[in-house]
Amino acid sequence: AQSVTQPDIHITVSEGASLELRCNYSYGATPYLFWYVQSPGQGLQLLLKYFSGDTLVQGIKGFEAEFKRSQSSFNLRKPSVHWSDAAEYFCAVGAKTSYDKVIFGPGTSLSVIP
Amino acid sequence: DAMVIQNPRYQVTQFGKPVTLSCSQTLNHNVMYWYQQKSSQAPKLLFHYYDKDFNNEADTPDNFQSRRPNTSFCFLDIRSPGLGDAAMYLCATSKGAYGYTFGSGTRLTVV
Repeated sequence: AQSVTQPDIHITVSEGASLELRCNYSYGATPYLFWYVQSPGQGLQLLLKYFSGDTLVQGIKGFEAEFKRSQSSFNLRKPSVHWSDAAEYFCAVGAKTSYDKVIFGPGTSLSVIP
Repeated sequence: DAMVIQNPRYQVTQFGKPVTLSCSQTLNHNVMYWYQQKSSQAPKLLFHYYDKDFNNEADTPDNFQSRRPNTSFCFLDIRSPGLGDAAMYLCATSKGAYGYTFGSGTRLTVV
C-alpha cells in the first residue's frame, strides 16, 4: 500500500528566505505525486503534480518540486518565501490503479516571520 | 468554469440527528471521493464511487454512507453524528490521473 511521510510537522522561516519542505513516499511502482496547500478553514489547492517525464516540476505561486526516485522523495521548494505562503502543506501520492486514490501525508505547517 | 461544488459551506447539526452533505461537479468525472479532515490532520479517504460502483475504505465507520444518484452528484450521509464526527468534509473528483479536483469543503459542527 502507498504511504507518505512528511518529517517536519512545523517549519518557521523568515520572509524572503528559501524554503524546502520534505516528502517521502512508499509505493511499489512509479507513483503520481502532488503537493497541496491549505489555508485555515479553506479547501485544498493544488500547487503542482508529477506523473512522468521531467523530474523537476514547476507549480503555481513560484513553487517547484523535484522527484528523486532513488530517495523516494518529492521535496517542495521556493527560493523566496512571502508572508502569504503561511499555510499547511500536504504531500500526496496517487496509486496507478483503475482509478486514482490519493493518499495524503500528515502535513507540514509553515509559519513566516516578517 | 468547470468545478466541484460543495454545499453547504458550513453545517451545524445536533448530536445523533442525521445530516447530509452534498457535492456536485460539472467536470463529467467518473470517480468521486469523500474525505474527512479533522483539525490539524491530513484528509482521510472515507470512500469513493467509480462510476456507480461504491468502494468503502476498510476503516470507515458504518455511521457514514454515500449515495451517487447520477454522474454529477454525490452525497455523504452521517446517520447519527457524534462529537467526534466534527470535521471538514472534502469532495474530490477525477477522470484518470490528470483530473484530481477538490471542492472547497463543508465544515461540520456537531452540537
